Amino acid sequence: GENVEQHPSTLSVQEGDSAVIKCTYSDSASNYFPWYKQELGKRPQLIIDIRSNVGEKKDQRIAVTLNKTAKHFSLHITETQPEDSAVYFCAAKDSGYALNFGKGTSLLVTP
Amino acid sequence: KAGVTQTPRYLIKTRGQQVTLSCSPISGHRSVSWYQQTPGQGLQFLFEYFSETQRNKGNFPGRFSGRQFSNSRSEMNVSTLELGDSALYLCASSFEVSYGYTFGSGTRLTVV
Repeated sequence: GENVEQHPSTLSVQEGDSAVIKCTYSDSASNYFPWYKQELGKRPQLIIDIRSNVGEKKDQRIAVTLNKTAKHFSLHITETQPEDSAVYFCAAKDSGYALNFGKGTSLLVTP
Repeated sequence: KAGVTQTPRYLIKTRGQQVTLSCSPISGHRSVSWYQQTPGQGLQFLFEYFSETQRNKGNFPGRFSGRQFSNSRSEMNVSTLELGDSALYLCASSFEVSYGYTFGSGTRLTVV
């Protein structure tokens, strides 16, 4: 099945800096790549997603890039704020109907 | 509109028992997936249902099973519980897998 690797597992940045989280996937037929944010004690929430026919997507301070050839995609958060502190999960939909998740990145934004 | 509802929120069971968890998806959503979340392993895919059909199953033993009803509500069952089954079980729903899942709050299962 699909294998999704996510790095780094923890990331600490200062408020105002940028944060980048990277993921790789194994199934070349994967065509849908969402990112979820999970705050402590809460459910994961979809923050942005990208499909395989698009190379980049942006939503205010958040952007996702996709490199199909290299089979990797990244989440970019600019001008980070303390409320961005959370665990971020990348995911990839395989050639079937499974959405497989990376193991998460714990982001800490310090004031 | 109502979100994804999972019941119960918390459950304590003894090794060897079985448990059934319930998930009511957002109205109109026909795709329902289940995940096991543990601190070390993140979100692990259990299975996905669409219109009462299991379309995909993750790499879990046969003790884990599920079903979906005609109203899209779904249940998952774990038989012969083991200590390692202690986890947060999350249900998510969508129109289709590629349209972004909405997660429920989860059921926290503790096996003692």
